Amino acid sequence: GQNIDQPTEMTATEGAIVQINCTYQTSGFNGLFWYQQHAGEAPTFLSYNVLDGLEEKGRFSSFLSRSKGYSYLLLKELQMKDSASYLCATMDSNYQLIWGAGTKLIIKP
Amino acid sequence: DAMVIQNPRYQVTQFGKPVTLSCSQTLNHNVMYWYQQKSSQAPKLLFHYYDKDFNNEADTPDNFQSRRPNTSFCFLDIRSPGLGDAAMYLCATSRDGGTGANEQFFGPGTRLTVL
Repeated sequence: GQNIDQPTEMTATEGAIVQINCTYQTSGFNGLFWYQQHAGEAPTFLSYNVLDGLEEKGRFSSFLSRSKGYSYLLLKELQMKDSASYLCATMDSNYQLIWGAGTKLIIKP
Repeated sequence: DAMVIQNPRYQVTQFGKPVTLSCSQTLNHNVMYWYQQKSSQAPKLLFHYYDKDFNNEADTPDNFQSRRPNTSFCFLDIRSPGLGDAAMYLCATSRDGGTGANEQFFGPGTRLTVL
C-alpha cells in the first residue's frame, strides 16, 4: 500500500532549529514535495527532492534518502510566522501526489 | 500576478441543496485538480483534468461532479451535500502532470459549511 508518516505535532522555540521527519512507502517514486500550510489557508510549495541529498533554500532545507524512504525538512532561525502545518507528499508512478496528514509546528517565544 | 482564484472563499449551503464551487487560473497550466481537505487531515484528491481529459479518483463519491469548460476554469458541483461534505475544497494547477518536477499551485480554498 501507499503510506506517508510524519509526526502530528511539534513544538520549538523562536530562533531555534527544528527537523520535521517524513517516511514513505509508495508505488513508484517521482520525487517528494514539502508544502507549508497556515491554518485556514491553502498549501504553498517549499521544496522538491528527487535525488538523494540535501537541498538548501534560505532558512529551509530538505533532505531525501530514497533507499530509506525518508525525508526531512529543516527549519533554521525559527520565526513566529513559521507556525503552520508542514505537509510531506510523494509523487507516485502515475505522477499523482500522495499526501501525509501534516505536522503542526508550534513556535513559542 | 499569475494565480489560482477560488470563489467563493466561504460557502454555506443546506443539507441536500446543490452547490457549485469555482476555480480559475491565469497560469495557463494544463492540469487542474480538486482536493477535499478536512481539519488536520491530508488533502484528498477528488478529480483532475489533464487539459480536457477528465480523471476521477476511484473513491470519489458520485455526489461530486466536475466540469472544465476551458483551460482557465474548473467547477466542482456537489449535487446533494451531506453533513460529511463540510470541508475545505482546494483547487490546484500544475504546468504538466506527467513529470516529477511539476509543483502544484493552490488557490486559497473554499470552506464549505453544510447546515
